[in-house]
Amino acid sequence: TQLLEQSPQFLSIQEGENLTVYCNSSSVFSSLQWYRQEPGEGPVLLVTVVTGGEVKKLKRLTFQFGDARKDSSLHITAAQPGDTGLYLCAGEEISNFGNEKLTFGTGTRLTIIP
Amino acid sequence: GAGVSQSPRYKVAKRGQDVALRCDPISGHVSLFWYQQALGQGPEFLTYFQNEAQLDKSGLPSDRFFAERPEGSVSTLKIQRTQQEDSAVYLCASSLYSSRKEQFFGPGTRLTVL
Repeated sequence: TQLLEQSPQFLSIQEGENLTVYCNSSSVFSSLQWYRQEPGEGPVLLVTVVTGGEVKKLKRLTFQFGDARKDSSLHITAAQPGDTGLYLCAGEEISNFGNEKLTFGTGTRLTIIP
Repeated sequence: GAGVSQSPRYKVAKRGQDVALRCDPISGHVSLFWYQQALGQGPEFLTYFQNEAQLDKSGLPSDRFFAERPEGSVSTLKIQRTQQEDSAVYLCASSLYSSRKEQFFGPGTRLTVL
């Protein structure tokens, strides 16, 4: 089983500050996805990165896929209380049975203090 | 619009009881996934269906876990003789095709085994 380690595990910062969350693996994935999950709900897809070195921006969120497609980062600029949640990275691989299979990271629980 | 729904949202079982968890995917979605999310962790893959065919059950932790999707729409995850370590949130996700398509997650069923 491939493992995805996320850091930090917990992060609590003031509104308006910037932050970066990291997702690291020793294995290569065909793509990497970032999700946000709120209490009592399922994860919601934020972005998918496919190409090594790819950078995608979603308003104040910037996602980067490492050149070797083993790691990724999520940077949030000017964090807002609405950014609070559990952020999960997930590596995609194709299983022996031909289906896509997601391996989720350990998660980063982000709290933005107003 | 109708998303993925799951029922019940909460289930409390005594150790040794059997439980059945239901997932209603988005209409027309071919692929259906089940995940197990322990407290404070990311989801872990359990099993995958393409229409009514269970193509990948490599993530099922034991033979006490059984999943079915007899008509290619609604799916049921059954856990026999529940144990305390089965306590977790069970998430269902569906997607339109079998590869490289966004998975839409349901809200999950929180199972507590006493």
